[in-house]
Amino acid sequence: GENVEQHPSTLSVQEGDSAVIKCTYSDSASNYFPWYKQELGKRPQLIIDIRSNVGEKKDQRIAVTLNKTAKHFSLHITETQPEDSAVYFCAARNTGNQFYFGTGTSLTVIP
Amino acid sequence: EAGVAQSPRYKIIEKRQSVAFWCNPISGHATLYWYQQILGQGPKLLIQFQNNGVVDDSQLPKDRFSAERLKGVDSTLKIQPAKLEDSAVYLCASSLASGFGYTFGSGTRLTVV
Repeated sequence: GENVEQHPSTLSVQEGDSAVIKCTYSDSASNYFPWYKQELGKRPQLIIDIRSNVGEKKDQRIAVTLNKTAKHFSLHITETQPEDSAVYFCAARNTGNQFYFGTGTSLTVIP
Repeated sequence: EAGVAQSPRYKIIEKRQSVAFWCNPISGHATLYWYQQILGQGPKLLIQFQNNGVVDDSQLPKDRFSAERLKGVDSTLKIQPAKLEDSAVYLCASSLASGFGYTFGSGTRLTVV
């Protein structure tokens, strides 16, 4: 089955700085990679996703890059704000159409 | 559009008791998932339904967990008997079709004491 690893597990940045979270996956046939943001006590919310035929996707301050050869993808948040503080999960969809999640990154943006 | 509805929001039971969770997906979403999220970990897939059929239940502890999705809409997840290690948030999610991005429900926080 698919194995998704996520780093770092915790990340603290100053407000205005950038944050980068990285994930690797094991199944080279995986073809869809969403990112979820989960605030304390709330449900995970989809914030951005990328398909395997695209190398980069951007939505305002959030971007995701995918390197299929190396089997890793990253979330980039620029100009971070305190409200970006949350736990972020990456996921990979395998050929069986199941999603496997990373272990999460707790991001703290320091005002 | 209305979101994924789950109930109850919280449940506290003693070990060896039974518990059931309910999920109502977004209207028209054929695919429904149950996830277990233990504190500090990512969601772990328990079972995936496509309409009223099971697509994947390979990570469902079938000796104590069961799930059904009668009529391809609402779903229930049951644990019988519960163990301490079942304490977690149980998330229901739905998607228009298998493999598309999910919408999660608010989850049911289960505490087994």
